[in-house]
Amino acid sequence: ETGVTQTPRHLVMGMTNKKSLKCEQHLGHNAMYWYKQSAKKPLELMFVYNFKEQTENNSVPSRFSPECPNSSHLFLHLHTLQPEDSALYLCASSQDFTPATNEKLFFGSGTQLSVL
Amino acid sequence: QKEVEQNSGPLSVPEGAIASLNCTYSDRGSQSFFWYRQYSGKSPELIMFIYSNGDKEDGRFTAQLNKASQYVSLLIRDSQPSDSATYLCAVNVAYSGGGADGLTFGKGTHLIIQP
Repeated sequence: ETGVTQTPRHLVMGMTNKKSLKCEQHLGHNAMYWYKQSAKKPLELMFVYNFKEQTENNSVPSRFSPECPNSSHLFLHLHTLQPEDSALYLCASSQDFTPATNEKLFFGSGTQLSVL
Repeated sequence: QKEVEQNSGPLSVPEGAIASLNCTYSDRGSQSFFWYRQYSGKSPELIMFIYSNGDKEDGRFTAQLNKASQYVSLLIRDSQPSDSATYLCAVNVAYSGGGADGLTFGKGTHLIIQP
């Protein structure tokens, strides 16, 4: 248990569905992240929030919409996804988003997403 | 374009031997280097980090960094079957403004320790 909880663990959705992924961290961290992990590809950073403010958006399609209501909670809203979006979506947190500390990431267990 | 390269493996090592995992990176401005371990079906967990040239030891793990060659490695001594996992190399660049754009990960090396 890393102190970062993600739900659901598995999700199957059609291309017209709307769903949300939830992440909660109990570590008192100020930065939260969404990563995408696809087979045979490196972990891809999607979004970063530091003190509830979005600081990074790595050219992610608008069908992925993040929300960070407070430093402990992070959501990823999904809408009209494509089959190629099927992947493991990992939430992570760190103390904050500075060079000295942002690399020590604590990951949640991930949501395995399948888009049909 | 920042790149981090790792041999995907699988790398097969007999139990009790030294496992050597290698990683190269493209950005000479890289400042900090990390190794994450990911068991099958689980999330990555940080096991080592190194900032300065040379070796850093923590238990059975040693991280080695050579910035001139843009090379970082992880040695696992007395390898155990429980060390079987995918090992992810990650690199970060610290920009002068004090910000950072997050880690760049390699694809990972799949390590198998044979009993």
